[in-house]
Amino acid sequence: QIVLTQSPAIMSASPGEKVTMTCSASSSVSYMHWYQQKSGTSPKRWIYDTSKLASGVPARFSGSGSGTSYSLTISSMEAEDAATYYCQQWSSNPPTFGAGTKLELK
Amino acid sequence: EVKLVESGGGLVQPGGSLKLSCAASGFTFSSYTMSWVRQTPEKRLEWVAYISNGGGSTYYPDTVKGRFTISRDNAKNTLYLQMSSLKSEDTAMYYCARRGDYYGSFDYWGQGTTLTVSS
Repeated sequence: QIVLTQSPAIMSASPGEKVTMTCSASSSVSYMHWYQQKSGTSPKRWIYDTSKLASGVPARFSGSGSGTSYSLTISSMEAEDAATYYCQQWSSNPPTFGAGTKLELK
Repeated sequence: EVKLVESGGGLVQPGGSLKLSCAASGFTFSSYTMSWVRQTPEKRLEWVAYISNGGGSTYYPDTVKGRFTISRDNAKNTLYLQMSSLKSEDTAMYYCARRGDYYGSFDYWGQGTTLTVSS
């Protein structure tokens, strides 16, 4: 199965700061999806098909990448962005998730 | 509004069985493939079952194959997960999730139901 490695595991950012987190796949994948999860709630689809923003996601978020390397970027950190972000692939079976990047507000 | 509502979780002894349900509303249930995804106490997400829209195809990872069975009743708009021979490592929050697009993202998730396997 394809293993997804997210880095960093934990990070903090100040309001207005640019944030980038990465997801590395053990084999090439065609598309990467990202989910946001806040404490006590279920994951929400955030970015899908590598770069498409889910409904209601602010434009300060973006996704990019190809092959084995993907990233999620926040152009300007806001307090509401503090959460855990998971990447996920289903280019090959079984679908797999990364371990998550916990983003905290500094 | 799309809604997925899981139920049926609880405390089960090792080796026991349990059946989870997921009631769907707000969309044409029979048009979508569905999955169960669990989140461990360590917060790792693991896909545990898939079913095609008609129910004719199912898939599982090796970790649950032979122990878990996914099914659906399109007339009742309900998804199920029958779990048997439960182990402590099955302890998790179980979510039903709708596959949202061709490339395999999950566009809607339920609120989850908790399974604890312990003696």
